[in-house]
Amino acid sequence: EAGVAQSPRYKIIEKRQSVAFWCNPISGHATLYWYQQILGQGPKLLIQFQNNGVVDDSQLPKDRFSAERLKGVDSTLKIQPAKLEDSAVYLCASSLEGGSAGTQYFGPGTRLLVL
Amino acid sequence: SQQGEEDPQALSIQEGENATMNCSYKTSINNLQWYRQNSGRGLVHLILIRSNEREKHSGRLRVTLDTSKKSSSLLITASRAADTASYFCATDDWGAQKLVFGQGTRLTINP
Repeated sequence: EAGVAQSPRYKIIEKRQSVAFWCNPISGHATLYWYQQILGQGPKLLIQFQNNGVVDDSQLPKDRFSAERLKGVDSTLKIQPAKLEDSAVYLCASSLEGGSAGTQYFGPGTRLLVL
Repeated sequence: SQQGEEDPQALSIQEGENATMNCSYKTSINNLQWYRQNSGRGLVHLILIRSNEREKHSGRLRVTLDTSKKSSSLLITASRAADTASYFCATDDWGAQKLVFGQGTRLTINP
């Protein structure tokens, strides 16, 4: 079974530039998550989709971050404009079940450095 | 939202020894999960324990949950170099449909 795919793996940009990350979840997984993990910390949930609807985006900085999940499969996360404090690893995960009871399967992450 | 707090923040032991990590949380939970993260394999689910369970085993892993103390522990027996990683507990809130991760314990197994 193929895992969660993410691209790119690394990205370096200057502040105020925009950047986009892509995620392809495990086939058949209805729930998709985007997390931000700052160095030395645990992952923080940014947004959770159930199929192509948003379940939770309470911690998404909506003035600069946006995400979509077209057709309930792939998803993109965008930052525009980026700030220095956005430097982090962005993790995508998917699960069969929604909510907190299911096992989440994580992709390798995209490491973002904002200069 | 609540967050699990792992203790210790870092742990270094010799190969073959047992490693114990603890997680404390603040409010009632439905379940608690443990994940491992290393540079080679990313973040991987280890075990889920429900609020009505007290102990679960998976291979060399043993997880306990004490809801009266709002704490959980992860025991890795007969540690191996490959166990070197960061370990995170993740909790949910009653009614909240999401996981909240702690800061993690960095475990180093010395050969």
